[in-house]
Amino acid sequence: DAGVTQSPTHLIKTRGQQVTLRCSPKSGHDTVSWYQQALGQGPQFIFQYYEEEERQRGNFPDRFSGHQFPNYSSELNVNALLLGDSALYLCASSPGGILLHFGNGTRLTVT
Amino acid sequence: GIQVEQSPPDLILQEGANSTLRCNFSDSVNNLQWFHQNPWGQLINLFYIPSGTKQNGRLSATTVATERYSLLYISSSQTTDSGVYFCAVEGGLDSSYKLIFGSGTRLLVRP
Repeated sequence: DAGVTQSPTHLIKTRGQQVTLRCSPKSGHDTVSWYQQALGQGPQFIFQYYEEEERQRGNFPDRFSGHQFPNYSSELNVNALLLGDSALYLCASSPGGILLHFGNGTRLTVT
Repeated sequence: GIQVEQSPPDLILQEGANSTLRCNFSDSVNNLQWFHQNPWGQLINLFYIPSGTKQNGRLSATTVATERYSLLYISSSQTTDSGVYFCAVEGGLDSSYKLIFGSGTRLLVRP
């Protein structure tokens, strides 16, 4: 049984560019959450998707957007990248919103 | 919003020693989870424990919801226990469906 899978594992982008990160949830999980973890800090909630709708959003600008597909997989899009967007981006899935299971993350570097 | 404080921020142990990590939170919670983040960045769910006590091998956790704290006990520590331990909570009026993480306790177990 595959857990939460994220792609790519590493990514380097230039300021101003756009990036798309992908996440496949654990089998049987219908809810996907995205978190941003800056170096040396705890993860911060970006948003959560359930039934293809954004159910809850954290304190992130509109440059951060997402999508959930009918198969429950999800994408995180970040536009107009800033240096401060450099972080580990974690996807977590859950059966309904609790008991999060995290993927290994995508490490984004913005230069 | 709800605040989460973890202590100590850093901990160095000799292999075989025991330790207690603490998590204080500022509001009532519906969900509390302990995670271990290994040196490769992977977040592993240790316990879902909004109240009560649970044990899993050398690890155990206790949450006293009425006093707004949780404790994670590590007994007979091993070098593989090294990493960062996060407490994360869901609760309060505006934090449904999102986990708020503490800043973590960085544990180093020396052989």
